[in-house]
Amino acid sequence: DTAVSQTPKYLVTQMGNDKSIKCEQNLGHDTMYWYKQDSKKFLKIMFSYNNKELIINETVPNRFSPKSPDKAHLNLHINSLELGDSAVYFCASSQLAGASYEQYFGPGTRLTVT
Amino acid sequence: SQQGEEDPQALSIQEGENATMNCSYKTSINNLQWYRQNSGRGLVHLILIRSNEREKHSGRLRVTLDTSKKSSSLLITASRAADTASYFCATSSNSGYALNFGKGTSLLVTP
Repeated sequence: DTAVSQTPKYLVTQMGNDKSIKCEQNLGHDTMYWYKQDSKKFLKIMFSYNNKELIINETVPNRFSPKSPDKAHLNLHINSLELGDSAVYFCASSQLAGASYEQYFGPGTRLTVT
Repeated sequence: SQQGEEDPQALSIQEGENATMNCSYKTSINNLQWYRQNSGRGLVHLILIRSNEREKHSGRLRVTLDTSKKSSSLLITASRAADTASYFCATSSNSGYALNFGKGTSLLVTP
C-alpha cells in the first residue's frame, strides 16, 4: 500500500505550458505539503495545507497554485512554465501540522521544462 | 531562516565502518529530525530528537543533540552498502508548521 503517491513521476514539457501534479495520501493525515528540490538537492517548502486550509504559502511565484479538494489530496498547478521551474517536486504529509511531526514523502515528480 | 547545515557534504567509507554526519542550526529548536533520501526516491524519516534529549538510538543509528552548540550528529554504525544515500537534518521553519532542510550529506558506502 502506497502511503503518499504522486502522479506523474516524470513530466517533460515546454516553456509557457501549464501543467498539474497530483498527490494523494492514504494515511489519514490532516496536513500535506509541497516541496521543491533543486539540482543541488536543496529542499524548500512551498505550500502546506491543514484540513484543506492553506497554512503555509512561502515566497513562490503566483504561477504556482495549490489546491486541496479534500484532506487526502493536494494538487499543484503551474502556469506558464519557465526553465527555472525544472526540479523534483515532492508531496509530503504529516499527522498534524507542526515541526514535531514526522513527515511522509511521496516518490517525487521530476519536472523538466525545455 | 532556521536552516540546518550538514557537514561533510560528501562522505565515502567502506562497509563495516562507522559514518558520522553533523548538522548545525542557528536558532533555538523544540526538536530536530533526520531523514534519508535514496537516489531517485522521496525522503524517509529516520529519527526525531527533542530539545530536552541528548542522545537517541534506533537500530544502528545514534543521534546526539547539543543545544548549547546548536548542533546534532548522526552516527551510522557498521555501515552497509544499502546505507548509501543522502542524509538531511531538518528543523522547524519560522512558521512552525513546516520543516527547513539542510543541503544534506551524501554518503557512499562501498563493499
